[in-house]
Amino acid sequence: AQTVTQSQPEMSVQEAETVTLSCTYDTSESDYYLFWYKQPPSRQMILVIRQEAYKQQNATENRFSVNFQKAAKSFSLKISDSQLGDAAMYFCASQPYNQGGKLIFGQGTELSVKP
Amino acid sequence: DAGVIQSPRHEVTEMGQEVTLRCKPISGHNSLFWYRQTMMRGLELLIYFNNNVPIDDSGMPEDRFSAKMPNASFSTLKIQPSEPRDSAVYFCASSLNRRDTQYFGPGTRLTVL
Repeated sequence: AQTVTQSQPEMSVQEAETVTLSCTYDTSESDYYLFWYKQPPSRQMILVIRQEAYKQQNATENRFSVNFQKAAKSFSLKISDSQLGDAAMYFCASQPYNQGGKLIFGQGTELSVKP
Repeated sequence: DAGVIQSPRHEVTEMGQEVTLRCKPISGHNSLFWYRQTMMRGLELLIYFNNNVPIDDSGMPEDRFSAKMPNASFSTLKIQPSEPRDSAVYFCASSLNRRDTQYFGPGTRLTVL
């Protein structure tokens, strides 16, 4: 079975600092996509970043970037210049190419940002 | 553009009652997904549709759950009869095609007493 593991239930960062959230996944598929979603207290699931496994270049979206290590099956999220609005639950997810569109989620990391 | 729309946002019902959750996907999206979020099990896929046809319902917990998509702009998830263990947040998501990025609705928080 495909699994996604987020080993950090909680993380904390000082405003304006950088924080990295960890994610590992287990798949036998050769093609897949990886995602980070953010869930603030409003509970809305918001896409943060997407990575295609066949691309070697790490995805970047403004202050958010990933470190994708395919051989190690690792997909960490780096948030630079952290802002108070970044406080939320962050979910890592995989989407195996041959399982339709199914997203497999990790358990989440709750990020708090200290002013 | 309007995102995925779900109704109601909150639902409180008593055990044994029928519950119907509704979803309107983003216009032009061909794939629709229903997820459930609980503390114990996290986020899990219940069922998904492609071009209004159910493709994979292996995540539906039991026969009390059913889902329909009568047209491209509307889907329902029904629980009959409801039980307290069905209490959760139910999300609907849609994507252009099944392997494209999924965009989530605001969720329906269901409480079964």
